Amino acid sequence: KNEVEQSPQNLTAQEGEFITINCSYSVGISALHWLQQHPGGGIVSLFMLSSGKKKHGRLIATINIQEKHSSLHITASHPRDSAVYICAPVSGGSNYKLTFGKGTLLTVNP
Amino acid sequence: GAVVSQHPSRVICKSGTSVKIECRSLDFQATTMFWYRQFPKQSLMLMATSNEGSKATYEQGVEKDKFLINHASLTLSTLTVTSAHPEDSSFYICSATVSTDTQYFGPGTRLTVL
Repeated sequence: KNEVEQSPQNLTAQEGEFITINCSYSVGISALHWLQQHPGGGIVSLFMLSSGKKKHGRLIATINIQEKHSSLHITASHPRDSAVYICAPVSGGSNYKLTFGKGTLLTVNP
Repeated sequence: GAVVSQHPSRVICKSGTSVKIECRSLDFQATTMFWYRQFPKQSLMLMATSNEGSKATYEQGVEKDKFLINHASLTLSTLTVTSAHPEDSSFYICSATVSTDTQYFGPGTRLTVL
């Protein structure tokens, strides 16, 4: 059983649509990252959150520690949002070790 | 913001040669650096955790004698793939962290072993 489950695995949307990507995890965590990986491979950390909700521009991330669940939302999606979105819980302790989901491939069509 | 660089971004080598990949934190001192590997259409896998001045901690199944990690300073960690073989062809990414849970990722190095 995977420690981190993301859904959906693939998502195709039309420009302007509201996007939701879900992440459930079974590992104990101190925080959780949402990462964005573009086709060239580079990774950007979008959010690191340990409780509640964070918003940055059109991106919103929420986490429910008790339910071991997090969601990433994109409002007014745009073709440039097309990328792989990865959920990565941070294990507790002093080494800040990440466990990665398999990612959600998002394609936003114009 | 914090920037992490990797060099080279892409390398092609012959089987049996060794390849060194550098990971630098450009504008901050990293207490810990991580090395990850990603095969096509797979998720990232942690290879090792590296703290400045001490031996790296390798994940289960990662050969420490094949993947040599040197963390000589708070801004530089190197990963050397020794006697590379085609199955080592992959995308290698490093990340660096300061004292919080935030990790800053490098742009990655694509290794192709012929």
